[in-house]
Amino acid sequence: GNSVTQMEGPVTLSEEAFLTINCTYTATGYPSLFWYVQYPGEGLQLLLKATKADDKGSNKGFEATYRKETTSFHLEKGSVQVSDSAVYFCALRQGGKLIFGQGTELSVKP
Amino acid sequence: SAVISQKPSRDICQRGTSLTIQCQVDSQVTMMFWYRQQPGQSLTLIATANQGSEATYESGFVIDKFPISRPNLTFSTLTVSNMSPEDSSIYLCSAVNTEAFFGQGTRLTVV
Repeated sequence: GNSVTQMEGPVTLSEEAFLTINCTYTATGYPSLFWYVQYPGEGLQLLLKATKADDKGSNKGFEATYRKETTSFHLEKGSVQVSDSAVYFCALRQGGKLIFGQGTELSVKP
Repeated sequence: SAVISQKPSRDICQRGTSLTIQCQVDSQVTMMFWYRQQPGQSLTLIATANQGSEATYESGFVIDKFPISRPNLTFSTLTVSNMSPEDSSIYLCSAVNTEAFFGQGTRLTVV
């Protein structure tokens, strides 16, 4: 069946460090891929998305590229801020349903 | 975009009782879903709420435990029945058109 595997956390970085959170997926067909973010005490928000191979989603300095050949959708940011501290979820969508990875907690220290 | 109002935002319930969670969307949406997020874990899909018919449940979830209603295109309810401490979780409603939007969630604690 469809599944999403993402890098385990927690990840702790210093401000302005480079961030990568790995995400790989298993799916039949060509799902849309998403990154969602959950800030402390808040609901789930869409961060970025890609709907087909080689698409790059980007938002708030974060980027992820849909790589069909490696079935990956790794999240990157060149310079993280303390305000980026949150839990990040990779997800795939087929037929409207979202299947989530286990989440990666990011903590950014000043 | 769609704005989702979910009630209650949190509750503490006695074991053996039931709680109904409401989800109201500010516009008509194609699909609505219910997810569970257990403490420190990811989101797991409970079921698809089908308008005017029975919900479609994922493996491991059954209608007797999690009855769902969706009387129209903007409203759905999830009931957590005969609760036990293992049901303590955050329950989230999701509405989908071209994007998936989430409510703030209901934090349920069963004592």
